[in-house]
Amino acid sequence: EAGVVQSPRYKIIEKKQPVAFWCNPISGHNTLYWYLQNLGQGPELLIRYENEEAVDDSQLPKDRFSAERLKGVDSTLKIQPAELGDSAVYLCASSLGASGGPEETQYFGPGTRLLVL
Amino acid sequence: EDQVTQSPEALRLQEGESSSLNCSYTVSGLRGLFWYRQDPGKGPEFLFTLYSAGEEKEKERLKATLTKKESFLHITAPKPEDSATYLCAVLGGSFKTIFGAGTRLFVKA
Repeated sequence: EAGVVQSPRYKIIEKKQPVAFWCNPISGHNTLYWYLQNLGQGPELLIRYENEEAVDDSQLPKDRFSAERLKGVDSTLKIQPAELGDSAVYLCASSLGASGGPEETQYFGPGTRLLVL
Repeated sequence: EDQVTQSPEALRLQEGESSSLNCSYTVSGLRGLFWYRQDPGKGPEFLFTLYSAGEEKEKERLKATLTKKESFLHITAPKPEDSATYLCAVLGGSFKTIFGAGTRLFVKA
């Protein structure tokens, strides 16, 4: 079974430019998460989707970040305009659901490494 | 506020030298405590989920335990291929997963 797929794997952009990341979750997983991971730190939640609904976006900097999950499957995270401090790894994860037990276990993709110059 | 603290930040072991990693947590309404392994340049890889105090899970040289305030990841007779960062995370009643900063493990042959 294929895992969580993310693209691109690496992205280098100039500050003030836009950038987008794409995620395809594990088939059948209803819950999708976007995390940001800085060097030497654990992942920090940006947004959580249940199917196509964003149920927790409290940590998403909405002035420059946006996300969507079309038809409750693939998701895109966008930054516009990017700032130097946005350089980090952006991780996507998915889980079966949020009703307790093993279905809440999250499985992660390889991440997109963003460098803003 | 939910919080996770991992210690030590880094741990250097000789091959075969058993040790433990600590994850201290505070959470309202624990739904699960998760352990992940992360290799450089890769995403976290799921290892274990623990749900209640007293629970233990094992996988090869790894054993995870849980109390009401902390979890331990015991590594028995580690090998160089066990070198990685080990992340602990808690999911509480807020449905928000909180990760610790991780413990970087180095195992020397």
